[in-house]
Amino acid sequence: AQKVTQAQTEISVVEKEDVTLDCVYETRDTTYYLFWYKQPPSGELVFLIRRNSFDEQNEISGRYSWNFQKSTSSFNFTITASQVVDSAVYFCALSEALTSGTYKYIFGTGTRLKVLA
Amino acid sequence: DAGVIQSPRHEVTEMGQEVTLRCKPISGHNSLFWYRQTMMRGLELLIYFNNNVPIDDSGMPEDRFSAKMPNASFSTLKIQPSEPRDSAVYFCASSSASAAIGETQYFGPGTRLLVL
Repeated sequence: AQKVTQAQTEISVVEKEDVTLDCVYETRDTTYYLFWYKQPPSGELVFLIRRNSFDEQNEISGRYSWNFQKSTSSFNFTITASQVVDSAVYFCALSEALTSGTYKYIFGTGTRLKVLA
Repeated sequence: DAGVIQSPRHEVTEMGQEVTLRCKPISGHNSLFWYRQTMMRGLELLIYFNNNVPIDDSGMPEDRFSAKMPNASFSTLKIQPSEPRDSAVYFCASSSASAAIGETQYFGPGTRLLVL
């Protein structure tokens, strides 16, 4: 069965520090997609990035960057020069096709990031 | 553009009452998902629809839960009768295309349900 592990339950950093959130996944399929979502204190889930299993290029978007490594089944998320507004719970998710022809997102348990001023 | 719209945003009810949660997906999206989020179980998929048809309802906890999608722009999740253990945040999400595995799901703001 597919699985997503976010081993870091909570991380606290001081503003301007860099921080990396880990995500490790398990799947038997060769075709799958990985996602990161942000859930700020207001509660909504905000989409951050999507990556397919055939694209291992790292991605950078402003202060955010993602490192996808199939060899270690990891899709880690780094925030550079963290800010208080980055405080949120971050979820990693895996999407893969099921034998029934449907698909499902499997979410990790989330990592709560606290950025202190 | 409007995102996914959910109502109500907060609901407080007493055990045994019927609760109806509503969702309007993003215009043009043809897949809709209902999730439940609790501290104990995290984010769980309850049911999803494609082109208004339920595709996978294996996550619906029990017969007290039902979901409908009468048209492309509206869905409901009903709990009858409600129980305290149903207290959670319920999210609706939508995506474009035909439930393809790589499609991004966009979430609504959630409905925070408290059953006393």
